Amino acid sequence: RKEVEQDPGPFNVPEGATVAFNCTYSNSASQSFFWYRQDCRKEPKLLMSVYSSGNEDGRFTAQLNRASQYISLLIRDSKLSDSATYLCVVNRGTDSWGKLQFGAGTQVVVTP
Amino acid sequence: DADVTQTPRNRITKTGKRIMLECSQTKGHDRMYWYRQDPGLGLRLIYYSFDVKDINKGEISDGYSVSRQAQAKFSLSLESAIPNQTALYFCATSDFSGKYETGANVLTFGAGSRLTVL
Repeated sequence: RKEVEQDPGPFNVPEGATVAFNCTYSNSASQSFFWYRQDCRKEPKLLMSVYSSGNEDGRFTAQLNRASQYISLLIRDSKLSDSATYLCVVNRGTDSWGKLQFGAGTQVVVTP
Repeated sequence: DADVTQTPRNRITKTGKRIMLECSQTKGHDRMYWYRQDPGLGLRLIYYSFDVKDINKGEISDGYSVSRQAQAKFSLSLESAIPNQTALYFCATSDFSGKYETGANVLTFGAGSRLTVL
């Protein structure tokens, strides 16, 4: 079983709609969680960190469920520019520097 | 100019050749990393360095070596390239604050180096 698993998609979303997807992680000791965005053939860029209480940044909402060991990302009012692959990143353990484990990504395609 | 610069951006080489990928950064971060990305797989850590005198193997270091020439420079070498090293390689930096709640371990990536080994 992969340490960090994501549905590869693609999630085809009409412009203006809401899309949500999850990422599961296997290491219960994980402390830090992130969502990165990666455009085709480009470098990953931090979208948002995921805090224990959940957090929102504009149209993006991230949630953490420690009991079930998953994080989620919800995108409201989808824009064409939201089309990208979203990478789930998890700190593997308690070491402070963060042995980061990347998921393979969930592809989102927003259509007109 | 980009905060993290990788060269070359694209390289095609033959099996057995020595290849060096270079990375330089202007962020002033101590920590630098090399990752590779393959289709359907997450980014995998090859090597990482917390400062000029600190080099550590990642999860897939076999067949690779690195050199941290200065705080700002971290190069990756393939001593004898093989076809299964064909991948997209990313250099990254981080400035760890030591606090999970503040978004520590945030990585800044270079634009990537696409390597094809024939």
